[in-house]
Amino acid sequence: NAGVTQTPKFQVLKTGQSMTLQCAQDMNHEYMSWYRQDPGMGLRLIHYSVGAGITDQGEVPNGYNVSRSTTEDFPLRLLSAAPSQTSVYFCASSYWTSGEYNEQFFGPGTRLTVL
Amino acid sequence: AQSVTQLGSHVSVSEGALVLLRCNYSSSVPPYLFWYVQYPNQGLQLLLKYTTGATLVKGINGFEAEFKKSETSFHLTKPSAHMSDAAEYFCAANTNAGKSTFGDGTTLTVKP
Repeated sequence: NAGVTQTPKFQVLKTGQSMTLQCAQDMNHEYMSWYRQDPGMGLRLIHYSVGAGITDQGEVPNGYNVSRSTTEDFPLRLLSAAPSQTSVYFCASSYWTSGEYNEQFFGPGTRLTVL
Repeated sequence: AQSVTQLGSHVSVSEGALVLLRCNYSSSVPPYLFWYVQYPNQGLQLLLKYTTGATLVKGINGFEAEFKKSETSFHLTKPSAHMSDAAEYFCAANTNAGKSTFGDGTTLTVKP
């Protein structure tokens, strides 16, 4: 299994540009999430999904869009990039078994710089 | 809303010394609790996870965590630090729908 994969690894954008960060998982997990990591602030939830066709906002959703048409894929779209969106972005997947939520499986991250 | 607090953004220990990283969560109902480790330029990896009913949870690389409901704490320990333990550590809580709330992280430095 490849686990959770993310592309690209690095990206530089100019203010106002748009782009899509790709995320895919091959573990058949129902839950998928996007987080951003900024120094000293831990990981903050941007958007999450509990299954194909179902998404919801997290803690910091402004400026980002998501969709989930399949169980495997959960792309994150930056609509109009701003310098405040310079960050490291992590995609994660998780699952439910035996009456418990389980751990997150993380991708390797995308390092985004907005000039 | 669920919150997770990690006391101490930086902890420094000597090689061979005890490692103690603190985590407190806010809730009257214990959530699903986890510790993750992040090495430079990598994603997060699971160290250990709380199992309902347990008080002491063992993880990988000699780490363990003690769950104390009365103190709403889930502190991470390792009896003897190794140079390879230097990393950033995150405590996290899941409450529903597979979402995690993370603490701000603790950077562990191990001195030779």
